[in-house]
Amino acid sequence: EVQLVESGGGLVQPGRSLRLSCAASGFTFDNYAMQWVRQVPGKGLEWVSGMSWSTNWNGGSIGYADSVKGRFTISRDNAKNSLYLQMNSLRPEDTAIYYCARRGLGLANDYWGQGSLVTVSS
Amino acid sequence: QSALTQPPSASGSPGQSITISCTGTSSDIGNYNYVSWYQQHPGKAPKLMIYEVNKRPSGVPDRFSASKSGNTASLTVSGLQAEDEADYYCSSYRGSDKYIFGGGTKLTVL
Repeated sequence: EVQLVESGGGLVQPGRSLRLSCAASGFTFDNYAMQWVRQVPGKGLEWVSGMSWSTNWNGGSIGYADSVKGRFTISRDNAKNSLYLQMNSLRPEDTAIYYCARRGLGLANDYWGQGSLVTVSS
Repeated sequence: QSALTQPPSASGSPGQSITISCTGTSSDIGNYNYVSWYQQHPGKAPKLMIYEVNKRPSGVPDRFSASKSGNTASLTVSGLQAEDEADYYCSSYRGSDKYIFGGGTKLTVL
């Protein structure tokens, strides 16, 4: 059974940093691209970032939403079946539930985690 | 462009059919056949319902169908059931490893 479990969320002050983790199981992690999607409670989904199966020169590709580019960094450790999102210079508008998702069928997110709430407030 | 355009709400009675539209541009929906649709119940994670414009993942009822014409994608739910009441989001690839979601449509089953 595919499982994605996010962790690392919480309350953080504006301008500070936070690192989210996503532990994957139930599938061959390094065969899949992965994504982060966020959702302000009560609002819509926003794609944040995604990366392909590898960061090696022959297989790596990374994308960021304009709203987080330069502040957030996505990474993965295939040996640990884990995806990460390093979030720096956090702003109140970054407050949201952050979902980890597997990019599978037809570039769609076919499995999602339960989400991790990040609250940016003083 | 901050989001694909969806109607904020839609409704129908049990057994009826409804269609939700999703309008983008020639840079996303109009240029790629990587349109997907997600269903989200309150307090739950989104669930993939449609990928590559009109394909259903295993386990999704065939009451859910979708299509695309030009810059607009559409999701049709036939034979509405109470459990179909949820928020629905479209999404499209837009090149350069970037993606975009729609603003979401709240479907109410009357």
